[in-house]
Amino acid sequence: DTGVSQDPRHKITKRGQNVTFRCDPISEHNRLYWYRQTLGQGPEFLTYFQNEAQLEKSRLLSDRFSAERPKGSFSTLEIQRTEQGDSAMYLCASSFAFGLTNEKLFFGSGTQLSVL
Amino acid sequence: TQLLEQSPQFLSIQEGENLTVYCNSSSVFSSLQWYRQEPGEGPVLLVTVVTGGEVKKLKRLTFQFGDARKDSSLHITAAQPGDTGLYLCAGASTSGTYKYIFGTGTRLKVLA
Repeated sequence: DTGVSQDPRHKITKRGQNVTFRCDPISEHNRLYWYRQTLGQGPEFLTYFQNEAQLEKSRLLSDRFSAERPKGSFSTLEIQRTEQGDSAMYLCASSFAFGLTNEKLFFGSGTQLSVL
Repeated sequence: TQLLEQSPQFLSIQEGENLTVYCNSSSVFSSLQWYRQEPGEGPVLLVTVVTGGEVKKLKRLTFQFGDARKDSSLHITAAQPGDTGLYLCAGASTSGTYKYIFGTGTRLKVLA
């Protein structure tokens, strides 16, 4: 078990470009979360999958953001027409749980996005 | 909207001192978790508290969940430089969907 893997670790892009991040959760984890974190702040919830179904998407997420989790395995987060305000650490977490009690989230190391 | 405020925001102390970090909300949470995050890494789960009034200990760290399940505290005894990091509380939403709402974070620096 290698933990939650995120790729790339760092991404520098120019404003207006599209970027895609990948998250490989711990195998057999049924839940997958995406969070965004800016420097010195706590992570903000973006979206959540139960297996392949996207069950919730934050109102913070504009139409430029889309996430998928085909076949309930890895997930991708795409940002179209990036803006400087999108610069942040994008964190992925996975868990195996039913309900919320004692759910243990395992986070990846994140993808640091810088939009110039 | 459920929000979690942490205090203090920053804390710099000498090795061997004790400290307490607070996590407060006006909302009720079904459970609350504490994480520690190192620079450039994702948060790592320390503990989950579920029952109002619950107290859990993890070596020198003591976690308490408020009776009304709206607040929590983390107390560190005899802090060590290895305790340095960003401490985050996260509440399990009671809105019917499965998500965790993170607090604003407390950045702790323990000086040798």
